[in-house]
Amino acid sequence: EIVMTQSPATLSVSPGERATLSCRASQSLSSNLAWYQQKPGQAPRLLIYGASTRATGIPARFSGSGSGTEFTLTISSLQSEDFAVYYCQQYNNWPSYTFGQGTKLEIK
Amino acid sequence: QVQLQESGPGLVKPSETLSLTCTVSGYSISNDYYWGWIRQPPGKGLEWIGGIYHSGSTYYNPSLKSRVTISVDTSKNQFSLKLSSVTAADTAVYYCARVDIVVVPAYMDVWGKGTTVTVSS
Repeated sequence: EIVMTQSPATLSVSPGERATLSCRASQSLSSNLAWYQQKPGQAPRLLIYGASTRATGIPARFSGSGSGTEFTLTISSLQSEDFAVYYCQQYNNWPSYTFGQGTKLEIK
Repeated sequence: QVQLQESGPGLVKPSETLSLTCTVSGYSISNDYYWGWIRQPPGKGLEWIGGIYHSGSTYYNPSLKSRVTISVDTSKNQFSLKLSSVTAADTAVYYCARVDIVVVPAYMDVWGKGTTVTVSS
């Protein structure tokens, strides 16, 4: 099983600032990685797939980068609606998909 | 606009079988996507359960494979999940989702709102 490790567990950032979230895989994924946003009481929402491609309707302030085992989700200028939990998911090891444990992005 | 809606009992007794259905609207389940199930225990992260293609081809998380059955009913535009021999550890919010294909099934681009299932006597 590929283990996905996200850091930090909690990130405190002020509105308008940049947030950088990390995701590390226990083995190479190429670019087979997705990012999701989840707000309390809601289903996850796809943000990024292929490590760097924004999903339909996702604002340009969200960007993904990385390949292999190290990946980053960057939110360039935090808006109030961006405070949520973010998960990475690998789909390189089909059908054993795995998610990271999540990073909670909170208001500083 | 594609929408997914989970339905089924919110309470299941230990050792029994959990059964959920996902109804897809605004999109044909027979189009070129897979359809999957994901769960989230209270206060925890996401766990992939398994998925199905409209042809009936299935794929499961190896850790749950012995207890999981996923089926599809194209005439009703629905797919279903059965999880047998449940315990308290199966208590979770269960989500259905559309799974996009990148050579193989990949990421979940549309999600249902989720349904809470509690395992308790």
